[in-house]
Amino acid sequence: AQSVAQPEDQVNVAEGNPLTVKCTYSVSGNPYLFWYVQYPNRGLQFLLKYITGDNLVKGSYGFEAEFNKSQTSFHLKKPSALVSDSALYFCAVRDMGEYGNKLVFGAGTILRVKS
Amino acid sequence: DAGVTQSPTHLIKTRGQQVTLRCSPKSGHDTVSWYQQALGQGPQFIFQYYEEEERQRGNFPDRFSGHQFPNYSSELNVNALLLGDSALYLCASSFRDRADGYTFGSGTRLTVV
Repeated sequence: AQSVAQPEDQVNVAEGNPLTVKCTYSVSGNPYLFWYVQYPNRGLQFLLKYITGDNLVKGSYGFEAEFNKSQTSFHLKKPSALVSDSALYFCAVRDMGEYGNKLVFGAGTILRVKS
Repeated sequence: DAGVTQSPTHLIKTRGQQVTLRCSPKSGHDTVSWYQQALGQGPQFIFQYYEEEERQRGNFPDRFSGHQFPNYSSELNVNALLLGDSALYLCASSFRDRADGYTFGSGTRLTVV
């Protein structure tokens, strides 16, 4: 079965500093990987995805993610963090079953950006 | 262009009762998936509907059932509610089950007391 792991429950970073939220994956075949963000009492907002192609994927709100096949990682990054980036971040992988696709999510990482 | 709409946004039910949650997919989408997000956890796949049929199901008991209507909207029904059913229920829509094209709603917060 496909799975992702987010090893950090929480990441703290100062405003203006670079941030990294880690994700590792375990899949059979080529992975479809995603990052979503969730603000309090809200649904999931899509940030970016990796399907194929360049290992550096650029997404919404200045976020990017680096796909590393040898390390089976898909870390989310941003060069300069904003206080408004504080939220819950989920990494997800597509699980392609016999009758359709579904997303398998990690447990989530809380990002706190302090001014 | 309306996104995914879920109703109600919040509700409180008593243990043993039944609940129905509703989802209207994004315009142009025909596939609806439901996820349960318990507090402090990532969303867990419940089931998916396409062409008014349940196409795949996650590891959830039969108390969880659903329906998709001809206009692609969907309902999630939970019978015999347990305290552990308290969670945020998310609906995601897509076109032809394209996982790279999911749009999520804001969810329904269910509290079972």
